[in-house]
Amino acid sequence: IVLTQSPGTLSLSPGERATLSCRASQSVISNYLAWYQEKPGQAPRLLIHAASRRATGIPDRFSGSGSGTDFTLTIDRLEPEDFAVYYCQQYGTSVLTFGGGTKVEIK
Amino acid sequence: QLQLQESGPRLVKPSETLSLTCSVSGGSISSGDDYWAWIRQPPGKGLEWIATVHYTESTYYSPSLKSRVTISVDTSKNQFSLKVDSVTAADTAVYFCARHVNFWSFDLWGRGTLVTVSS
Repeated sequence: IVLTQSPGTLSLSPGERATLSCRASQSVISNYLAWYQEKPGQAPRLLIHAASRRATGIPDRFSGSGSGTDFTLTIDRLEPEDFAVYYCQQYGTSVLTFGGGTKVEIK
Repeated sequence: QLQLQESGPRLVKPSETLSLTCSVSGGSISSGDDYWAWIRQPPGKGLEWIATVHYTESTYYSPSLKSRVTISVDTSKNQFSLKVDSVTAADTAVYFCARHVNFWSFDLWGRGTLVTVSS
């Protein structure tokens, strides 16, 4: 399954809302889709699993939605520490795939 | 708490074999629900899943790398390993080891290690 993320880069100011898209080339079984945040020099951090379930310790300004082939990560009220690269990943099949990433940068 | 740590050579010559080990501490690699994976990230690029292993030695591979990659587990040492044969410059990347419970999302990651392929 090929995952296409858009936009490639999102330029926003702190306090604004970020809306990131992840589109799958075929339906993701059981909506087994995750979102990760990656900062320079750090390992990715799991934010959302099963399309909409926040991982342990993730603030509630992060939310995931969607089903089938279209998924969205929303970050309400961007904090300075939220500027990073975000990846989606599907685990509905035994061949795991990541999207190409969306960079959220400070405007 | 459970932690993962990658180790292995940071520099590999072209055509040789890249070998990395991930040590699991703070818990057992033999937990029935846990799967163990390698993921890589070329400089400035995105994430690529390479392979996954279960302590029962069941293995799963990315089709694009399957012909050159071997993943294995050593329960006596609480480690799992990766070998990539016939490397080229395109295999230069940060290599992460990670856990995914029940083959779901990756909830625990090592810090990653940069491996450079160069003569």
